Amino acid sequence: EVQLVESGGDLVQPGGSLRLSCAASGFTFSDHYMDWVRQAPGKGLEWVGRSKSKANSYTTDYAASVKGRFIISRDDSENSLYLQMNSLRTEDTAMYYCARDIDSGTHAPGYWGQGTLVTVSS
Amino acid sequence: QSVLTQSPSASGTPGQRVTISCSGSSSNIGINNVYWYQQVPGTAPKLLIYRNNQRPSGVPDRFSGSKSGTSASLAISGLRSEDEADYYCAAWDDSLSGRVFGGGTKLTVL
Repeated sequence: EVQLVESGGDLVQPGGSLRLSCAASGFTFSDHYMDWVRQAPGKGLEWVGRSKSKANSYTTDYAASVKGRFIISRDDSENSLYLQMNSLRTEDTAMYYCARDIDSGTHAPGYWGQGTLVTVSS
Repeated sequence: QSVLTQSPSASGTPGQRVTISCSGSSSNIGINNVYWYQQVPGTAPKLLIYRNNQRPSGVPDRFSGSKSGTSASLAISGLRSEDEADYYCAAWDDSLSGRVFGGGTKLTVL
């Protein structure tokens, strides 16, 4: 069974940094694309970025709103995905979800974690 | 505003058929697959439809998806109270080199 468990969410001041983690289990982590998706309070879903699989050289893509501030990385030996968030803004306040692709040939999010809450406020 | 456009709300009575639409452009829906997600407030999104019209195992056949040109639709037949949720469409956008979501449609079962 695919399981994704996010952690690391916290209250942080504007301009600060935070690192989120996503622990994965139940599948061969290196074979799959992994996404981060966020949802501001009372708002819709917003794609943050993704890490491609080992076969695709772990290439990353980012939304324009976070490019240059956020970094996605992964540790296949730990079956973990990370989101390093720098220069945080109040508008980054959201629930952050990690998601695995549907299958190794269909790269849209198919399995979701329960999310971790990030609050950016002074 | 969202790259993909959805009506903010929809409603129906139990047993009815409702349709939720999603409008995009030639850089997203026009050339890429559409995905639909269901989100009950307070919970994580759940994949409902993938590759325009495919249902994951466990999703009832009351849910169906279609795509035509730069628009897509999610149809729910035999509406049930547990279908009350927010529904989001999504697609890859080649111009943005990123995934885009619709703003979401809140479905109310009257």
